[in-house]
Amino acid sequence: SQTIHQWPATLVQPVGSPLSLECTVEGTSNPNLYWYRQAAGRGLQLLFYSVGIGQISSEVPQNLSASRPQDRQFILSSKKLLLSDSGFYLCAWSTGVRGNTEAFFGQGTRLTVV
Amino acid sequence: AQKVTQAQTEISVVEKEDVTLDCVYETRDTTYYLFWYKQPPSGELVFLIRRNSFDEQNEISGRYSWNFQKSTSSFNFTITASQVVDSAVYFCALSEAVGGFKTIFGAGTRLFVKA
Repeated sequence: SQTIHQWPATLVQPVGSPLSLECTVEGTSNPNLYWYRQAAGRGLQLLFYSVGIGQISSEVPQNLSASRPQDRQFILSSKKLLLSDSGFYLCAWSTGVRGNTEAFFGQGTRLTVV
Repeated sequence: AQKVTQAQTEISVVEKEDVTLDCVYETRDTTYYLFWYKQPPSGELVFLIRRNSFDEQNEISGRYSWNFQKSTSSFNFTITASQVVDSAVYFCALSEAVGGFKTIFGAGTRLFVKA
């Protein structure tokens, strides 16, 4: 069966520090991978998605970047965190094309920038 | 452009009551997909249902049922005989065939079920 691992679960970082969140998927090949952010009490905002190794699409201009060094590994990074980067970050995967399949989510990382 | 509106921010019911969560969507595409997800306090989103734009048949799964009406661009979710374990945030989402992998989520509805 497929599983998705996301870590760390919680993170408190000072403003201006770097960030690296990692997500890995097991039990499937060539998944579509996603990073979402959920601000407190709000819906999910799609940040990045990837349909293959090295292929990253960014949905909103921001202080973050994403990379996919391996087929089932997706990394969210920042060189210098801002206070506005605080939120709940969710990694997800799906199969299929054209948005016709559901996504499966990791347990999320709660990031607090202080 | 895609848009999903969940007008109900929070709903509070007493156990065993029925509750309906509203979802209204906007899309220019004729082929699209609608989803409902549940986010319990643990934070992980759990997939509940997917509907494509060509299938307006309503669906029932245990205490859950979904009413898809293209004429009103709505995809409402009803929980019958609610239970405390149903307390969570529920998200409606939309993806378009043209838009590919971009799924838009509504702001979510927080459901409180009191014993």
